[in-house]
Amino acid sequence: QLQLQESGPGLVKSSETLSLTCTVSGASISTTSYYWGWIRQPPGKGLEWIGSIHHSGDRYSHPSLKSRVTISVDTSKNQFSLKLNSVTAADTAMYYCTRIYGSGSSFDYWGQGTLVTVSS
Amino acid sequence: QSVLTQPPSASGTPGQRITMSCSGSSSNIGGNPLNWYQQLPGTAPKLLIYGNGQRPSGVPDRFSASKSGTSASLAISGLQSEDEADYYCAAWDDGLNGVVFGGGTKLTVL
Repeated sequence: QLQLQESGPGLVKSSETLSLTCTVSGASISTTSYYWGWIRQPPGKGLEWIGSIHHSGDRYSHPSLKSRVTISVDTSKNQFSLKLNSVTAADTAMYYCTRIYGSGSSFDYWGQGTLVTVSS
Repeated sequence: QSVLTQPPSASGTPGQRITMSCSGSSSNIGGNPLNWYQQLPGTAPKLLIYGNGQRPSGVPDRFSASKSGTSASLAISGLQSEDEADYYCAAWDDGLNGVVFGGGTKLTVL
């Protein structure tokens, strides 16, 4: 059974870099044709797509975040990662890692999510 | 302001059939598959409907979806108390070159 698990600091200071890793178990990132993605949800608000990546390196990110986002894959560790720099309070959210099936917006497996709070 | 528009709330009584809408444009719903997600309180979202109407394994056939032009709808028949959740629609947007979500509809089972 495929499982995804987010890890990283739960508290990040304003203007610093948020770094999260998603560890995939039950399947290999590099031997499938799936994309892998990050989605976030501010407290009490809706879902926002951050970006997606394929093990080949093909990647997409939300235009509003593109200048601050780096998404990468480490096939040797079966992980993919998110870095978001110059964070502000507006980046406080639950961050989910996901697998993407078929069309670019079919997120069929999700991690449990990790809450990241940006403090001043 | 979400790119896809959903009503903020919906409600129904047990056993009832309810529908909720999701509207967009030709660059998203009009040209790409639409997906629906269910988010139960305190949990990660779950893929409910994908590819314009297919249900992943384990999703009851009480849930169905349809699309027409730049609008879509999710229907839940035989409403149950455990259906109380937030529901989101999502699609790829060719203009944005990325994924757009609706703002979500909070379903209350009375």
